[in-house]
Amino acid sequence: DTEVTQTPKHLVMGMTNKKSLKCEQHMGHRAMYWYKQKAKKPPELMFVYSYEKLSINESVPSRFSPECPNSSLLNLHLHALQPEDSALYLCASSLREFTGELFFGEGSRLTVL
Amino acid sequence: KQEVTQIPAALSVPEGENLVLNCSFTDSAIYNLQWFRQDPGKGLTSLLLIQSSQREQTSGRLNASLDKSSGRSTLYIAASQPGDSATYLCAASGGTSYGKLTFGQGTILTVHP
Repeated sequence: DTEVTQTPKHLVMGMTNKKSLKCEQHMGHRAMYWYKQKAKKPPELMFVYSYEKLSINESVPSRFSPECPNSSLLNLHLHALQPEDSALYLCASSLREFTGELFFGEGSRLTVL
Repeated sequence: KQEVTQIPAALSVPEGENLVLNCSFTDSAIYNLQWFRQDPGKGLTSLLLIQSSQREQTSGRLNASLDKSSGRSTLYIAASQPGDSATYLCAASGGTSYGKLTFGQGTILTVHP
């Protein structure tokens, strides 16, 4: 099973809402990532978790709050977002941090009104 | 800082043609190079991973090569099919970006019947 599962697939929220994106993998990978992708651009790294600990935060605004409850799950909590945060949010995992093949989920399409 | 360039930005070919997508990187001290495919609005699908010690990898009709000395990788697609139409992204890991993946801008491939 080389699958990374993301929910929800689509999310529409207002600027005052609080919502969460979820990501799950069962490949035994110990590194998980959040990427943001705008239209016609490559993905941009946001956060990296290694062995359930935050390893890298690419200077992401605090309105994005990641959480890694266990080795299989990764959440991204969203609060007070701006319309420019509308994008495709991709979760990925690899065996170890920046080691080996990177597997991506299908993404969560976020629209902020 | 690692920079990755993909040429051409877009390519349109008739079904059945063999084709080559190009990827160049500025820092030859890479750990690995990965090729991905992305369908519109979807996540990234890993196609091939080439470790820095390898020269090429093959999967079905796909063959990827790596030449670190010249800072180049190519993705060869044999006997192209309409189902191959997608955006192809290469990403280099390592160099001055440590293990982080640096993505190219992608090549949009259209295979018409």
